[in-house]
Amino acid sequence: DSGVTQTPKHLITATGQRVTLRCSPRSGDLSVYWYQQSLDQGLQFLIQYYNGEERAKGNILERFSAQQFPDLHSELNLSSLELGDSALYFCASSVAGGYDGGGYTFGSGTRLTVV
Amino acid sequence: TQLLEQSPQFLSIQEGENLTVYCNSSSVFSSLQWYRQEPGEGPVLLVTVVTGGEVKKLKRLTFQFGDARKDSSLHITAAQPGDTGLYLCAGFYNQGGKLIFGQGTELSVKP
Repeated sequence: DSGVTQTPKHLITATGQRVTLRCSPRSGDLSVYWYQQSLDQGLQFLIQYYNGEERAKGNILERFSAQQFPDLHSELNLSSLELGDSALYFCASSVAGGYDGGGYTFGSGTRLTVV
Repeated sequence: TQLLEQSPQFLSIQEGENLTVYCNSSSVFSSLQWYRQEPGEGPVLLVTVVTGGEVKKLKRLTFQFGDARKDSSLHITAAQPGDTGLYLCAGFYNQGGKLIFGQGTELSVKP
C-alpha cells in the first residue's frame, strides 16, 4: 500500500458519458498529480495541484477537469467520453515538488474503459 | 517539446544475464528518477540522481547519470525473474517543473 488511494479501480462506461475519478494523497503530501497511461502514449502528465491550487498543466483535454479540495483529496472529471479516453489514470502525490529526491508516490490507478 | 527516449522498448532475457537500459534527452535534466511498475500497480520510485556523473547502486541495480545530465542508464547484474516489470525513467527539466516520463522498457526475465 503506497498510501495514495484511488477509487474506483475499474470503470466501464459508454461514449458520451461523464465520470469522476477520486484520489486521496499520502498523509502529509500537499501536491497531487494526475497522469494518463495508455499503450501507445505511455505516462502522460495531465495536471498538478498544490495545496488546493492548480500548479501546472500538461496535455489535458478541455473535456477533462480536476480540482483539489481543502482536505487535499482530488477529483478528475472526464466528460463527453470517447473510445480513445480508455486508459489507466494514475494519481500521484509528493510533499512538495518531488524533484528533491522524494519523487512521486503513485496510487494503483483507475482503469477506465469506454465502450 | 521535451522528450525522453528509452531503449530498448522490450527486453527478454534469461535469469542470470546482465542488461542495460538507456534514457536519453536532448535537454538537460535538473534531476532524473527511475521507477519500476508492475502490472496493475502504479510506478514505484527506485532512485533519484541529481549530479552529473553520479552513480548510485541499489543491490544488483546500478544507476548512472551522464556528465552532461542529458542521459542516464540502469544496469542490472544477474537478473532474476523478480526483476520482471516496466522500467521508467523520468526527468525534471527544472525545479518546480512537471515530471516527464519516458515510454518505458518492458523487461521479462525467464527462469
